[in-house]
Amino acid sequence: QSALTQPRSVSGSPGQSVTISCIGTSSDIGGYNYVSWYQQHPGKAPKLMIYDVTKRPSGVPDRFSGSRSGNTASLTISGLQAEDEADYYCCSYAGSYTLIFGGGTKLTVL
Amino acid sequence: EVQLVESGGGLVQTGGSLRLSCAASGFTFRSYWLHWVRQAPGKGLVWVSRINTDGNDASYADSVRGRFTISRDNAKNTLYLQMNSLRAEDTAVYYCASGMPTTQDYWGQGTLVTVSS
Repeated sequence: QSALTQPRSVSGSPGQSVTISCIGTSSDIGGYNYVSWYQQHPGKAPKLMIYDVTKRPSGVPDRFSGSRSGNTASLTISGLQAEDEADYYCCSYAGSYTLIFGGGTKLTVL
Repeated sequence: EVQLVESGGGLVQTGGSLRLSCAASGFTFRSYWLHWVRQAPGKGLVWVSRINTDGNDASYADSVRGRFTISRDNAKNTLYLQMNSLRAEDTAVYYCASGMPTTQDYWGQGTLVTVSS
């Protein structure tokens, strides 16, 4: 199964909002309420930012929010800060007890 | 504090085998699902496998099914990944992660596996 489709890069200035899209199919994103998002800084392990499409783990700033429309999930970061610069990955349940990640998006804070 | 520490990575020849371990602490190990996720150098994350809390239900990505086996020892708070018939494309940092069936809440720092002829 092919990876979910994410833009390779997005950018924004401090204080602005950015949205990262994650395009799948009705067999993954569109079929289940199990989309999660991960932040990964260079050389570090990933960190869970959003799960079950819209839920935020304890400790994750409310500047991070998730949503979904049809087969596309989105991560929105508002009030962009320098420390938000990182790679972001979406992940979805894909049926048959498997998961699938997106290709990753590099966020640059200008 | 939740800690996951992977070990067992290294250089192995094509067709060879390797067993990764992941030692956990700081949480109730037996209550959480466990995952292996890999990342080839300079590439994105790829889900590899997961196992349920009791260790009797496992699933795999198509790319490793039949070659890799995930297991856990709840008495030792340790997760394993037995990797056989290794290929060059299995070269990656392998992360273990704890969480639920569809999320990885906490991650280790990873162990590098290099498959070379």
